[in-house]
Amino acid sequence: DIVLTQSPLSLPVTPGESASISCRSSQSLLHSNGYNSLDWYLQKPGQSPQLLIFLGSHRAPGVSDRFSVSRSGTDFTLKISRVEAEDVGVYYCMQVLETPFTFGQGTRLEIK
Amino acid sequence: DVQLVQSGADVKKPGESLTISCKTSGYSFTTMWITWVRQTPAKGLEWVGRIDPADSHTDYGPSFQGHVTFSADTSITTAYLHWPSLEASDTALYYCAITSRQSDTLMLWGQGALVTVSS
Repeated sequence: DIVLTQSPLSLPVTPGESASISCRSSQSLLHSNGYNSLDWYLQKPGQSPQLLIFLGSHRAPGVSDRFSVSRSGTDFTLKISRVEAEDVGVYYCMQVLETPFTFGQGTRLEIK
Repeated sequence: DVQLVQSGADVKKPGESLTISCKTSGYSFTTMWITWVRQTPAKGLEWVGRIDPADSHTDYGPSFQGHVTFSADTSITTAYLHWPSLEASDTALYYCAITSRQSDTLMLWGQGALVTVSS
């Protein structure tokens, strides 16, 4: 199975500052279609996960452009610019290159 | 609007059977997969598997193969997750999610169904 390792697991951030979450894959996630098969989700407190990013770097409809993804090899970094209170929750990466699809452990973002 | 409404919380004993449901609306049911995801404090999010409502093709995660079954009723646009014999370790929150055929992305998740298995 493909293993995704997220870091840090906990991330306290001051409002207005930037935050970065890493998701490292045990193997390449490059699909034959040219896209990386990695998605990002945010689970806000008491809610179901919601889609943020799909196909490696594409923002889902309605997602703020404060969210972006960069990649270096098998390391993906989700960057959140100008963090706001509504960004609080647990961020998960998920690979959909091959079954069984797998998730990272999650990174809990909190406001300082 | 696209909606997924899951059945309510259930409390069962080990060895009992259980089926939970995921009622969908607002889109063409057979155009997207339905994925099931388990969430526990210990293991986080786990991919249980998925079903294609168009032909009932299923894929199961290795940890769930042979322990659960998926089904879908196109007449009422509802997907199901069934356990013939529950174990205490099945205690978890279970989500359904509509899934893109093109990217396998979980586009929208249901509200979750809490399953508790205890003697």
